[in-house]
Amino acid sequence: GDSVTQMEGPVTLSEEAFLTINCTYTATGYPSLFWYVQYPGEGLQLLLKATKADDKGSNKGFEATYRKETTSFHLEKGSVQVSDSAVYFCALGEGRRALTFGSGTRLQVQP
Amino acid sequence: EAQVTQNPRYLITVTGKKLTVTCSQNMNHEYMSWYRQDPGLGLRQIYYSMNVEVTDKGDVPEGYKVSRKEKRNFPLILESPSPNQTSLYFCASSFSRATGANVLTFGAGSRLTVL
Repeated sequence: GDSVTQMEGPVTLSEEAFLTINCTYTATGYPSLFWYVQYPGEGLQLLLKATKADDKGSNKGFEATYRKETTSFHLEKGSVQVSDSAVYFCALGEGRRALTFGSGTRLQVQP
Repeated sequence: EAQVTQNPRYLITVTGKKLTVTCSQNMNHEYMSWYRQDPGLGLRQIYYSMNVEVTDKGDVPEGYKVSRKEKRNFPLILESPSPNQTSLYFCASSFSRATGANVLTFGAGSRLTVL
């Protein structure tokens, strides 16, 4: 079945550091890929998505490229801020099936 | 404001005492779903509904019930809660589930503790 694997956290960075959170997936078809973010005490909200190979999703300075050859969708940001501290979830959606989520990666950004 | 509203946000209860967590969305979404979030396990789907009167089991449905009598509401019912149902619960909705590209809108979560 479908699965998503994320790097374990927490990831602790200083403000303005470069961020990468790795995500790889297993799917039988051609899924759409998502990054959701969960700020403390809140529900998940969509950060970005990509629906086909080589698409790049971007939002709020975050980017991720759908790489079919490596089955990856790594999240990157060039300069993180304290306000980026949150839990980040990689997810895939295929057809009418439910989204499959990774286990989440907690990011802590220190001033 | 377009949103998914869950209540209660926090609840402590005892084993066996029936409870309902309500979920309502104001976006006229067809698809609604319940997830539970546990440390190290990500989000796992409990039940989902493609439309009014159409519900189906997700990955972890045991111990839960749902109903979809109206398009906007999708309550989660725990008939006889047990401690292993202590978790953070999220309701989510989307316009449809026709493709994998549909984006889910999540509620703020309901933290349930069963003693």
